[in-house]
Amino acid sequence: DSGVTQTPKHLITATGQRVTLRCSPRSGDLSVYWYQQSLDQGLQFLIQYYNGEERAKGNILERFSAQQFPDLHSELNLSSLELGDSALYFCASSASNGRSSYNEQFFGPGTRLTVL
Amino acid sequence: DAKTTQPNSMESNEEEPVHLPCNHSTISGTDYIHWYRQLPSQGPEYVIHGLTSNVNNRMASLAIAEDRKSSTLILHRATLRDAAVYYCILRPKYSGAGSYQLTFGKGTKLSVIP
Repeated sequence: DSGVTQTPKHLITATGQRVTLRCSPRSGDLSVYWYQQSLDQGLQFLIQYYNGEERAKGNILERFSAQQFPDLHSELNLSSLELGDSALYFCASSASNGRSSYNEQFFGPGTRLTVL
Repeated sequence: DAKTTQPNSMESNEEEPVHLPCNHSTISGTDYIHWYRQLPSQGPEYVIHGLTSNVNNRMASLAIAEDRKSSTLILHRATLRDAAVYYCILRPKYSGAGSYQLTFGKGTKLSVIP
């Protein structure tokens, strides 16, 4: 158990809909990362938040957005869903204290999104 | 970003050592070499990391070539639980700013034969 929780575990929805994925980081971790894993693209970084502020963006579509709340949990919002958005979405957290040489990331169990 | 090259798949017999290679010929002097693995139906997990010297921890050992253009993850006695996709990732040294997201390649799928 990494200490990172994600809900829901599974999500099935239709094209054009909007969904929200939730992530609770490990206690004390300030950074939250979102990744998407699909069969054709592999694991791809989407976006990072650090202590409530957006820190970096990766291959995140404009239809997707995220935020990190004062209690440090994060939500990933996916709208106007398309069939190709079906994937596993992982959240990871890290301490990001700036002093660690490795800044280990701890991954949650993922949310499997199926768009029909 | 510097890239890594790994074999697509490898097999090992249970309780035998496994050497998982990674080539990173364009590595920069400040890049750390990280290894993560992803067990079936789980999120990735950290295995080990290093800069120049060989490293050991409870999970594995990391052997880094003298020119740092390649590295090898060593599992000393493979168990069935070690069957996973292993990712070799280069990450820059923390500079106090920016993001330290992980850039995953395709990794090596390790199968362990009982």
